[in-house]
Amino acid sequence: DTAVSQTPKYLVTQMGNDKSIKCEQNLGHDTMYWYKQDSKKFLKIMFSYNNKELIINETVPNRFSPKSPDKAHLNLHINSLELGDSAVYFCASSLGQGARNSPLHFGNGTRLTVT
Amino acid sequence: AQSVSQHNHHVILSEAASLELGCNYSYGGTVNLFWYVQYPGQHLQLLLKYFSGDPLVKGIKGFEAEFIKSKFSFNLRKPSVQWSDTAEYFCAVKGGNNRLAFGKGNQVVVIP
Repeated sequence: DTAVSQTPKYLVTQMGNDKSIKCEQNLGHDTMYWYKQDSKKFLKIMFSYNNKELIINETVPNRFSPKSPDKAHLNLHINSLELGDSAVYFCASSLGQGARNSPLHFGNGTRLTVT
Repeated sequence: AQSVSQHNHHVILSEAASLELGCNYSYGGTVNLFWYVQYPGQHLQLLLKYFSGDPLVKGIKGFEAEFIKSKFSFNLRKPSVQWSDTAEYFCAVKGGNNRLAFGKGNQVVVIP
């Protein structure tokens, strides 16, 4: 029973295409995140939603648009993909945006390769 | 905003050797500290965390970390590593803005 599940696991596409990555958590958490891990393994937060409301929006191109239909789902849509978008994208969730001591639970990641 | 530094990005050691990974953060207020591990091809998993109380925290798989407030450090240790400890290790800090900031990670390779 995967707690945070992302699909697809691998995504290979060409430049200029539009693609989506889905994320769902069954932990009952109310806060979800998208992180990008580059080729050097550096993790950087992209977005965070709390109860379907956007609370963190880092400096990310507006080609990236997160959508949270409910607090258990946070999808990431990417328009006009570029080579530099190639990375591993991790979804995560935690309990309580205000709960500083709540650790993040990560999904298995989606390896996006743009050719 | 808080930031996290991890040194010695690549660490190679033999089985049974002791491991210590340094983590320093910059934030003047109360922090929560975490170490995550990412095994090859897998997602990040929580290794241990510090919120308050005893500054020496014990985690899973024989890992421990010590919070030294005066040094703004939260170093990770394991007395005797195994081949299965080969992974990327990330220190993370959550400060007043509730954002979790990650260090750049330590790539640890344990040679059998």
